[in-house]
Amino acid sequence: EVQLVESGGGLVQPGGSLRLSCAASGFTFSRYWMHWVRQAPGKGLVWVSRINSDGSSTNYADSVKGRFTISRDNAKNTLYLQMNSLRAEDTAVYYCARGYSELPGIYWGQGTLVTVSS
Amino acid sequence: QSVLTQPPSVSAAPGQKVTISCSGSSSNIGNNDVSWYQQLPGTAPKLLIYDNNKRPSGIPDRFSGSKSGTSATLGITGLQTGDEADYYCGTWDSSLPNVVFGGGTKLTVL
Repeated sequence: EVQLVESGGGLVQPGGSLRLSCAASGFTFSRYWMHWVRQAPGKGLVWVSRINSDGSSTNYADSVKGRFTISRDNAKNTLYLQMNSLRAEDTAVYYCARGYSELPGIYWGQGTLVTVSS
Repeated sequence: QSVLTQPPSVSAAPGQKVTISCSGSSSNIGNNDVSWYQQLPGTAPKLLIYDNNKRPSGIPDRFSGSKSGTSATLGITGLQTGDEADYYCGTWDSSLPNVVFGGGTKLTVL
């Protein structure tokens, strides 16, 4: 059974940092692109970032470029999102998703909540 | 606002049919495949349609997708109360380059 389990969310002050993790199981993690997608409370889905199967290629939304870094450890079947210089508008549930072609595909995690507030 | 434009809400009676539109441009829908996602209240998004009109295993054929030019459409027939959810279209935008989502459409089954 494919599973994606996010962790690392929590309350952080503006300007602070947080690292999210997404533990993958039930599939060959190293073969797939992976995505991060976020959703602010009561708002729609917003794509954040993606990384290719071996970690050599990444893309970011303009809103997080230069502040967030996506990475992966294929030996540990884990996806990461390092978030620095956090702002109130980064408050959201963050989902990881396995990629299909260019897009998030069929498998999504349950999400982890990040709250940026003083 | 979102790169892809969806109606904020649609509604229909149980058993009826509804369509949800998703409008974009040549840099996104016009030249890339579209996916549709369903998000039930309090849950993670779920892939309904990929590659414009394909359904993952387990998705009933009441759900269908189509694309023409720079627009895509999700169709749902035989509406059920359990279909009440938010629906999002998504695609790759070659000019950004980013994944882009529509703003979401809330479906109410009256």
